[in-house]
Amino acid sequence: QVQLVESGGGLVKPGGSLRLSCAASGFTFSDYYMSWIRQAPGKGLEWVSYISSSGSTIYYADSVKGRFTISRDNAKNSLYLQMNSLRAEDTAVYYCAREGPGLSFDIWGQGTMVTVSS
Amino acid sequence: EIVLTQSPGTLSLSPGERATLSCRASQSVSSSYLAWYQQKPGQAPRLLIYGASSRATGIPDRFSGSGSGTDFTLTISRLEPEDFAVYYCQQYGSSPAWTFGQGTKVEIK
Repeated sequence: QVQLVESGGGLVKPGGSLRLSCAASGFTFSDYYMSWIRQAPGKGLEWVSYISSSGSTIYYADSVKGRFTISRDNAKNSLYLQMNSLRAEDTAVYYCAREGPGLSFDIWGQGTMVTVSS
Repeated sequence: EIVLTQSPGTLSLSPGERATLSCRASQSVSSSYLAWYQQKPGQAPRLLIYGASSRATGIPDRFSGSGSGTDFTLTISRLEPEDFAVYYCQQYGSSPAWTFGQGTKVEIK
């Protein structure tokens, strides 16, 4: 079945780094644009970053620009988010999501928790 | 950046009742790029509606979306027990950026 599975979350100190991964299955990963979206504890959803199917076009939210890097490996059906210079306000569940019709997000992973704390 | 404001913050209703959720944008949004999601505790969001009024695959027809410009509505015609959840609207606009509303919680009265 169509599935996205995130991994790589955990506890990290302020200023530290973490790399998230998202493994895709059940669909042709290389055909789809992908995004990372996060949700702070008890809060709403915030789009973080987008990458086109080939990886040639990338966008970031202002809140993470210059600190986070999105990438993908279509041969491995995988999406990544390299997070550097982490701050307490980056604490959230991070979801990878597939772009769907009308620039919506039609498939979501289960999320991986990132906690930034000393 | 386009800001989406959802109202009410919480909607207290009984099963079988009709739910009407509002999403207002700070500037005009293309209807093609307005979506609605449902999220239950501990779960990822689920796409309900895209293009303001098109139901996603597998979504029951009690869910409907409408609206244009700056005002959009998600209607649940008859609430089922499994519909009690938080609902988010989302738009794609310039920057480029995707933004979400702050959510409306539909709770059991």
